[in-house]
Amino acid sequence: QVQLVQSGAEVKKPGASVKVSCKASGYTFASYGISWVRQAPGQGLEWMGWISAYNGNTNYAQKFQGRVTMTTDTSTSTAYMELRSLRCDDTAVYYCARDGEMGATTDYWGQGTLVTVSS
Amino acid sequence: DIVMTQTPLSSPVTLGQPASISCRSSQSLVHSDENTYLSWLQQRPGQPPRLLIYKISNRFSGVPDRFSGSGAGTDFTLKISRVEAEDVGVYYCMQATQFPWTFGQGTKVEIK
Repeated sequence: QVQLVQSGAEVKKPGASVKVSCKASGYTFASYGISWVRQAPGQGLEWMGWISAYNGNTNYAQKFQGRVTMTTDTSTSTAYMELRSLRCDDTAVYYCARDGEMGATTDYWGQGTLVTVSS
Repeated sequence: DIVMTQTPLSSPVTLGQPASISCRSSQSLVHSDENTYLSWLQQRPGQPPRLLIYKISNRFSGVPDRFSGSGAGTDFTLKISRVEAEDVGVYYCMQATQFPWTFGQGTKVEIK
């Protein structure tokens, strides 16, 4: 079965960077894209960007351009999302989600990674 | 960016009764490939989101048939034919027709 397992919770200081991993299993990793979505406490969902695991092509939300880098490692079936210059309002749960087939975008989700930014 | 607007933002429902959520996009969601990439997701308390419906009306694997989606162009609807206790949560529409993908604000479904 398809599974996306994310790395554990992080606590960072303002100005630092965080790198969240998302390890996929149960499918051919390179055949699908991965989206990253975040959710601030008590708030809605915010799409951050997408990466093709096939060729590494990315598309980032303008809000995060210059601060985010999404990568994949096909040898370990793992996707990564690095966010730099962290601010307190980056405190959120970060999710990865598979871009499924037949137009079923975000068909499987990771469990989420809480990133807390606090001085 | 395409703005997704959901109504209502809160929906108290009696168990066994129907519920309906509307989602309107600021521009047509018809892609150049003629598909409409409008999805509905459910987020139960403390859980990650879960895909319910994709491409307007296709139920994802394992989703009960009491959930249905409809619409076209810029207006879309999610219906729950008979609300059950496990349906409590927040429902989001999402468009993946055009980057950046965008979500509605979410509609909270709760039991009266």
